[in-house]
Amino acid sequence: AQSVTQLDSQVPVFEEAPVELRCNYSSSVSVYLFWYVQYPNQGLQLLLKYLSGSTLVESINGFEAEFNKSQTSFHLRKPSVHISDTAEYFCAVNSGGYQKVTFGTGTKLQVIP
Amino acid sequence: KAGVTQTPRYLIKTRGQQVTLSCSPISGHRSVSWYQQTPGQGLQFLFEYFSETQRNKGNFPGRFSGRQFSNSRSEMNVSTLELGDSALYLCASSGGQSLDGYTFGSGTRLTVV
Repeated sequence: AQSVTQLDSQVPVFEEAPVELRCNYSSSVSVYLFWYVQYPNQGLQLLLKYLSGSTLVESINGFEAEFNKSQTSFHLRKPSVHISDTAEYFCAVNSGGYQKVTFGTGTKLQVIP
Repeated sequence: KAGVTQTPRYLIKTRGQQVTLSCSPISGHRSVSWYQQTPGQGLQFLFEYFSETQRNKGNFPGRFSGRQFSNSRSEMNVSTLELGDSALYLCASSGGQSLDGYTFGSGTRLTVV
C-alpha cells in the first residue's frame, strides 16, 4: 500500500521569504512522486514530478523538490515566494503500473505581503 | 489543445435524489479518474476508467458509479444522495501510464440539502 503525509496543513510566510512544504511517503515499491497546486475554485495543476534520475526536479515558476529515498521525503521548496504563490499544494505518490494516485491532505501556503 | 471539461460546475440537489456528472478528457487521453474533495478528507479516489473499463476502484459505497464511453468521455453517478456527499468532484485525465501525471478539470461542486 502507498500513502502520503503532509504534516503542515497551513504555512504562512512573508513575501520574498523562502518556504519549504514537507511531504513524506510510504510505499513498498519504487515510486513516482508529484506536486500539484490548486488555486481557489480551480482544479489541481501539475507543478513538478519525480520519475527517475536526478533527485532534484524543478518547475517553471521557481519551485523545486528533492527526492530523498533514505528519508522517504519529497519536500517542495522555493527560495523567494510571491503573493501569487498563495494556494493549496498537494503531494502525491504512484507506485507505478496502473496503480491509483494517492494524494496527501494538502498544505495551504499563505503568502503575507 | 482543450483542457479537461467538467459539467456542470455547480449543482444543488436534495437528499435522496440522484445526480450525474460529466467529464470530457483531453483529446487522446484514454484514462479518466474521479476524486472527491472535501475539507476534512482531502482528495479521495473514487474510480478510474481506461478504454471503457474500470481499472481501479476506491472505497466508496455502491451508490457511486461511473462509466466511460468510446470517445473517452466519462460520467459518474451518485444515487440516493446524502448530506455527506456534498463535495467538489474532480475529474483527471491522463495518457494511462503512471508517469504521465494528471490533468484536472475545474471540478463540479455538489451541494446536497
